[in-house]
Amino acid sequence: RKEVEQDPGPFNVPEGATVAFNCTYSNSASQSFFWYRQDCRKEPKLLMSVYSSGNEDGRFTAQLNRASQYISLLIRDSKLSDSATYLCVVNPGYGNKLVFGAGTILRVKS
Amino acid sequence: DTGVSQDPRHKITKRGQNVTFRCDPISEHNRLYWYRQTLGQGPEFLTYFQNEAQLEKSRLLSDRFSAERPKGSFSTLEIQRTEQGDSAMYLCASSGIRGIEETQYFGPGTRLLVL
Repeated sequence: RKEVEQDPGPFNVPEGATVAFNCTYSNSASQSFFWYRQDCRKEPKLLMSVYSSGNEDGRFTAQLNRASQYISLLIRDSKLSDSATYLCVVNPGYGNKLVFGAGTILRVKS
Repeated sequence: DTGVSQDPRHKITKRGQNVTFRCDPISEHNRLYWYRQTLGQGPEFLTYFQNEAQLEKSRLLSDRFSAERPKGSFSTLEIQRTEQGDSAMYLCASSGIRGIEETQYFGPGTRLLVL
């Protein structure tokens, strides 16, 4: 079983739609959680950290459920520019490495 | 530009050759990481430095791979006797701690193709 698992998609949605991505992680001792965004042939960029209380940044909302070892990302009012791969990322708590999921592809179409 | 930089951005080499990549982290960051990413996968951790000390190495880092950060600033990743399976994007990241938050910032990567 992979340490971080995501639905690979692709998710094809129209502009203005709301879309949700889910992610599960296997190490219950994991310390911190993130969503990164990666555009085609570019480097990953931090989208947002994820906290147990949930956090929101504009159209983006992230949730963490430690009991279920589950992370989510909600994107409201999708824009064409949201098209990218969204990577679920976990710091498993040993060392300082990040463990990445394989990513979920989002395509927003007009 | 004060971000993480990597050189070269692309490298094509023949199987069996040695290659070396360079990473310049964000100047105030004392932690530096190397990752490898293949098509359709997320980045996979290779190794990590705090200042000049290499503190962790992944089992992915075979004997053909070596990384250094001699003065605690830039880092190099060398692959000896390259194999076709080494073809990937090699990403460098750096991080520093502000309060309790530590964020890794990635460079643009070096894309390696082994023929």
